[in-house]
Amino acid sequence: QSVLTQPPSVSGAPGQRVTIACTGTSSNIGAGYDVHWYQHLPGAAPKLLISYNNNRPSGVPDRFSASKSGASGSLTISGLQAEDEADYYCQSYDSSLNGAYVFGSGTKVTVL
Amino acid sequence: QVHLVQSGAEVKRPGASVKVSCQASGYSFSTFAIHWVRQAPGHVFEWMGWVNTANGFTKYAHQFQGRVTFTKDTSANTAYMDLGSLTSEDGAVYYCAKAGRGYWFDAWGQGTLVTVSS
Repeated sequence: QSVLTQPPSVSGAPGQRVTIACTGTSSNIGAGYDVHWYQHLPGAAPKLLISYNNNRPSGVPDRFSASKSGASGSLTISGLQAEDEADYYCQSYDSSLNGAYVFGSGTKVTVL
Repeated sequence: QVHLVQSGAEVKRPGASVKVSCQASGYSFSTFAIHWVRQAPGHVFEWMGWVNTANGFTKYAHQFQGRVTFTKDTSANTAYMDLGSLTSEDGAVYYCAKAGRGYWFDAWGQGTLVTVSS
């Protein structure tokens, strides 16, 4: 069971905007720790999409954006494209259990 | 460009140990920690811990303490994860990941499939 909760799936047509929520608790996101986002294609290495709440590494399109409020974060894909079909995971740090990196349950994005 | 290349798939018997390597390139190996994360089939990512690639200090997630050992060979730019007393529940893809400048991972290895079967 994940420490961070995400919807199992979201879908949208090409060009549409989709948002993935990531809900945490008072010991992780709610404690002020940042939310980071990864894209994972089957059989491939996970790829960092956004770090430190809304910083995109070089090469990540600007249609990916993120925000955080309270104990939750969200990832928005604006202008959905076919190559965006993948699994998306949020990740944060949790100060309980002597400190641990925690992940979301993952969201499958389907491009209709 | 940062690359993390892991060793190949392993098949182990219950009770055995497995050692996975992770060779880094494209950056100064000793500057950033290497983390280990696993994902069992149909399960979420599970963080296992990290190794300080400069001094070898390690931190293990509580559920793995006593059963996992992280080491590093700075001369080979390689980190290692050794997991013992394997059970079928340890069957998973194991990833190494380079620490970012905060609590995130900015590069991942391709993953190593570990199968535990009698």
